[in-house]
Amino acid sequence: DTGVSQDPRHKITKRGQNVTFRCDPISEHNRLYWYRQTLGQGPEFLTYFQNEAQLEKSRLLSDRFSAERPKGSFSTLEIQRTEQGDSAMYLCASSRKDGGAGGYTFGSGTRLTVV
Amino acid sequence: ILNVEQSPQSLHVQEGDSTNFTCSFPSSNFYALHWYRWETAKSPEALFVMTLNGDEKKKGRISATLNTKEGYSYLYIKGSQPEDSATYLCAFLSNFGNEKLTFGTGTRLTIIP
Repeated sequence: DTGVSQDPRHKITKRGQNVTFRCDPISEHNRLYWYRQTLGQGPEFLTYFQNEAQLEKSRLLSDRFSAERPKGSFSTLEIQRTEQGDSAMYLCASSRKDGGAGGYTFGSGTRLTVV
Repeated sequence: ILNVEQSPQSLHVQEGDSTNFTCSFPSSNFYALHWYRWETAKSPEALFVMTLNGDEKKKGRISATLNTKEGYSYLYIKGSQPEDSATYLCAFLSNFGNEKLTFGTGTRLTIIP
């Protein structure tokens, strides 16, 4: 297993366009998390899944954001009608059931630039 | 709102010197404290997950301590090497059961050869 994969690594898009990112977690991990990091800040929680169920969603996520994890494997994060404020590093992580005590494995992120 | 703070924000250390930095977090509703190392263009790498007050963990030249009663953790690096240059992030996990890590803003460490 090569760890958590994220695609694409970089995305430049025009304001108003839709973008979708993909995350492939470690296969035996049933929990998957999305975080966002903006300049000068630490990563901020967006949402997490246990298997295919989305269990928690941050108030940071407006209606323009949606995440899915069909069949409890890979996950996608879609941003509709992108705004300049969406420019950030989007990080995905996965863990076994008790990630809090065992640690998370992060991907290397997707850097989104909205122009 | 949970507040996690790290200090200093950035640090330049001569190769071979030892260094340490601080993470402060809420002293109530504690479940776990994570430390990650994040090198540029790579993924954040888990260093330690600490769950018990008084915990002390070590990985090579890096060690960490935890005080949950007063809400702080120290990360120590002994004999800094250029490959230690990275941003070090701590993250607090509460016992609310929502699996939501609250990160500090990180300490950016640069080792001067």
